[in-house]
Amino acid sequence: QKEVEQDPGPLSVPEGAIVSLNCTYSNSAFQYFMWYRQYSRKGPELLMYTYSSGNKEDGRFTAQVDKSSKYISLFIRDSQPSDSATYLCATQGGRFGAGTRLTVKP
Amino acid sequence: DAGVIQSPRHEVTEMGQEVTLRCKPISGHNSLFWYRQTMMRGLELLIYFNNNVPIDDSGMPEDRFSAKMPNASFSTLKIQPSEPRDSAVYFCASSATRGTEAFFGQGTRLTVV
Repeated sequence: QKEVEQDPGPLSVPEGAIVSLNCTYSNSAFQYFMWYRQYSRKGPELLMYTYSSGNKEDGRFTAQVDKSSKYISLFIRDSQPSDSATYLCATQGGRFGAGTRLTVKP
Repeated sequence: DAGVIQSPRHEVTEMGQEVTLRCKPISGHNSLFWYRQTMMRGLELLIYFNNNVPIDDSGMPEDRFSAKMPNASFSTLKIQPSEPRDSAVYFCASSATRGTEAFFGQGTRLTVV
């Protein structure tokens, strides 16, 4: 079993839609959770960083951690074509999910 | 700071040849990671160094792969001999400490023919 599981998609939504991206992890000791965004032919860049359980909001993006179910989520409100990218969840061990490729259509 | 610098950006080599990928982490960062990314397997952690010491190399696929970090400003990932299935994008990343944001280089796109 991989330490971080993520549905690779792809996911295609119309502009303005709410996007929900999800991951599960196996190690209950993990405390730090991150979401990275990767554009084509680029390295991943940090988008959101959360510690322990709860929500964190940054503009149109909300990261959510539920440690009881070992579930992490990223929500994108009012999605834009510029949000089209691959989104990867990660934990403090440098372990990444497979990444979900998102396309937002105008 | 120029960020994490990787070289070369692209490498095409023949099966059986030795390949060396290079990485210069961000100055002051003490954690360094090597990753491999493919469509099939996503982003895989190969090895993690802390203060130049390899801490976790469980992701290194086989003995053909080796990594070194002789000092805080340089690391190499070597594949010898290379095989077509090694074709992938290899990323190097560094962070101030292991639990914090990792900054990625632009990657090396390796093609083994």
